Amino acid sequence: QVQLVQSGAEVKKPGASVRLSCKASGYTFTSYYLHWVRQAPGQGLEWMGMIHPGRGTTAYAQRFQGRITVTRVTSTSTVYMDLSNLTSDDTAIYYCAKDQSAFDIWGQGAMVTVSS
Amino acid sequence: EIVLTQTPLSSPVTLGQPASISCRSSQSLVHSDGNTYLSWLQQRPGQPPRLLIYKISNRFSGVPDRFSGSGAGTDFTLKISRVEAEDVGIYYCMQATQFPPTWTFGQGTRVEIK
Repeated sequence: QVQLVQSGAEVKKPGASVRLSCKASGYTFTSYYLHWVRQAPGQGLEWMGMIHPGRGTTAYAQRFQGRITVTRVTSTSTVYMDLSNLTSDDTAIYYCAKDQSAFDIWGQGAMVTVSS
Repeated sequence: EIVLTQTPLSSPVTLGQPASISCRSSQSLVHSDGNTYLSWLQQRPGQPPRLLIYKISNRFSGVPDRFSGSGAGTDFTLKISRVEAEDVGIYYCMQATQFPPTWTFGQGTRVEIK
C-alpha cells in the first residue's frame, strides 16, 4: 500500500540543525511532489516546502528561506528535510505529505524538540 | 499571500445532527489550469491529518459519503450530514497557489460532541 514512513523524534539544542527523512513506498516515487508541513504544539498546520522527486525542483515558504533544504535520493525513494539554526519556536511535529492534486498520503510525523 | 479564513473555529454538535464549516479565501482559488485546488483535511486527536475532500467536492478514497464539499471562487463549505463520534477532531481547508508556489491552510475548526 502507499505509505510514507518518517524518521524518529529528535531533540536538539538552539542553533543546531536537524535532518528528517521520509521514505515512500507503494507508488512511483518520482511522479508526485512531496511536501513538508509542521504543527507546533496546540497549533495549526504550516507548509514549509516541497520537492518534485523526479526533477529535483524545490519550493520553500518565504519564512523558511535560507534555513530549509529539501533533497531526495531516488534510489531509496527517500526525501530529506534539513532545517538549520533551530530555536524553541521550531519545536513541532513535522509531517511529510504526498501531493496528487491534494495532500493525499501523510507520514506519521516526527517530533522535533528544541531545548537548551 | 492568500489567506484562508474558517468559520466557526469551534462547532459543538449533537450526534446524528449535521455540521457545516465555511472556508473563505482572500482571493479566487481558480488555478490557471482551470481547476480549484481547495481540499479539506481531518485531524483526529493524536493523529496526522487525513484527506477528506479534494478539488472542492471530490471525496477521497474510503471517506464516508456523509462528508461533502461545495463552493466556488472564494467561498467553500464542508458539510457532515450526520455527525458520528469518530468525526471528532479538527478540520482544515487548504489551497495551492501556482505563482509563487505556495500551499496555505485555514486556522482549523474543532468539531466536538455536545
